[in-house]
Amino acid sequence: GIQVEQSPPDLILQEGANSTLRCNFSDSVNNLQWFHQNPWGQLINLFYIPSGTKQNGRLSATTVATERYSLLYISSSQTTDSGVYFCAVVGYNQGGKLIFGQGTELSVKP
Amino acid sequence: NAGVTQTPKFQVLKTGQSMTLQCAQDMNHEYMSWYRQDPGMGLRLIHYSVGAGITDQGEVPNGYNVSRSTTEDFPLRLLSAAPSQTSVYFCASTLGGGLGTEAFFGQGTRLTVV
Repeated sequence: GIQVEQSPPDLILQEGANSTLRCNFSDSVNNLQWFHQNPWGQLINLFYIPSGTKQNGRLSATTVATERYSLLYISSSQTTDSGVYFCAVVGYNQGGKLIFGQGTELSVKP
Repeated sequence: NAGVTQTPKFQVLKTGQSMTLQCAQDMNHEYMSWYRQDPGMGLRLIHYSVGAGITDQGEVPNGYNVSRSTTEDFPLRLLSAAPSQTSVYFCASTLGGGLGTEAFFGQGTRLTVV
C-alpha cells in the first residue's frame, strides 16, 4: 500500500516565525488532505490539495503530484497553531480510504 | 448541516462488554469509514463502506463489526471489548465517485477499556 512520510516529526517555533512541513507519498494519489489536530483532539480540514497550490490566510499548501510530495507553509505562526498536522492521501481506485502520515507535532511558544 | 456526528464522545467499558459507536452524516456522502488513533500515531483505517449494503475491512479490522443499512449511518460495533481497543475513534465521510473528494471527520469518541 501507499506509504506516507511526514517531516519533521516535531517542531518548536517562536511566535511569529515561519515553517514548512513536508509530506512524501510513495504512489500516485487522487486525494491529498492536510489536517490540524488541535489540543482538544478535533481534526480540522486545512486543505484538500491533490495537486497545485492553495492559500488560506497565513497557511498555504503546494502539492507536486508528479514528484509525490506536498508542503504546508505556516507564516507568522501563532500559539493557536500548536497541535499535530497530518497529511493523508487516497490512492487511485481506493474509495475513501485515507492513509495517514505519522504527523508533525508543532509547538508555538509566546 | 451538522456534518458528521459521532456519539458518544466518551465511554468507559469493562473488558468483555459490548457497545456500538454511532456515526451519522447528513451530506448524502457515499463513502464512510472508521479510524482509530493511538497515542503518538496517525489514524489507521478499521472498516469502510462505499455505499449502503457494502462494507469492507481496512488495516486493523479485528474485534470490530460494521454494517451500513442506510446512506446516513455507519455504526461500529465492539462485540467483546479488550484493553487493546482503548483508543480514540473517528468516523469520516466522503462524497465518493470516480474522482477523489474531500473527507470530513466527526469529533471523535474517546474509548477506555478497563
